[in-house]
Amino acid sequence: NAGVTQTPKFQVLKTGQSMTLQCAQDMNHNSMYWYRQDPGMGLRLIYYSASEGTTDKGEVPNGYNVSRLNKREFSLRLESAAPSQTSVYFCASSYDRSSYEQYFGPGTRLTVT
Amino acid sequence: QQQVKQSPQSLIVQKGGISIINCAYENTAFDYFPWYQQFPGKGPALLIAIRPDVSEKKEGRFTISFNKSAKQFSLHIMDSQPGDSATYFCAAEETSGSRLTFGEGTQLTVNP
Repeated sequence: NAGVTQTPKFQVLKTGQSMTLQCAQDMNHNSMYWYRQDPGMGLRLIYYSASEGTTDKGEVPNGYNVSRLNKREFSLRLESAAPSQTSVYFCASSYDRSSYEQYFGPGTRLTVT
Repeated sequence: QQQVKQSPQSLIVQKGGISIINCAYENTAFDYFPWYQQFPGKGPALLIAIRPDVSEKKEGRFTISFNKSAKQFSLHIMDSQPGDSATYFCAAEETSGSRLTFGEGTQLTVNP
C-alpha cells in the first residue's frame, strides 16, 4: 500500500515550457486535491476533484489545468510555466468530500527559471 | 486574504518544554479544525483534530484548545522532544466539506 505517489520529485523548467505533474493513490479514495506550498503562505488549494469525473477550482487555479484520469489518478498541468509557479506541489486524497482527513503525497519541487 | 491566521511563524523550544502554536479564524461556517505535521522533505500528515462542540482534545503529548467565542484554537505540545521538530499547520474546513483552508505554518525547533 503506497498511499499517495507523485512524479517527478524534482523538476526544473524554463519560462514558457509545459509539464504535467502526476499523482496516483491506491486507497480507493474518491476525492483528490492539488496544493502548492510557498514559504510563509501555508498550503493553497489549486484544484480539487470531489469524485471521478468532476473537477473544481480552488484558491489559486490560474495558470494550471487538471485531469481526473480515473479514480486513482489526478494530474496537474502547467501549460506555460512562469517563475511565479516555482513552488512545492502536493497531491492529496480523501475518502470522499465529507471525509476530513486528507492524505498527502511526498511533493514535487518545481523551479521555473 | 488568509482566512486562517497562524502564529508564531517560527518557534524554538528546549527539550522538555511546552510548545504553543495559535490560530485564529473568521469564517463561522468552519466546523472542523485539524492540525497537520510536516517533516522536511515529506508531505503533511494529520496529527490531531477537533470539532467546535468540545473545548479541548488531548492525544498523548498533543492537546488542542478551542475557544469558539473568540474564534481561536491552539496546539500545545507537552514535554517537547527533538523528534517533534517539524512544521505545523492549522487548518479549518466548512460544513460543506471538500476544502481545507490552511494557516501559514509554524516551524518548530526543539533543542536537545
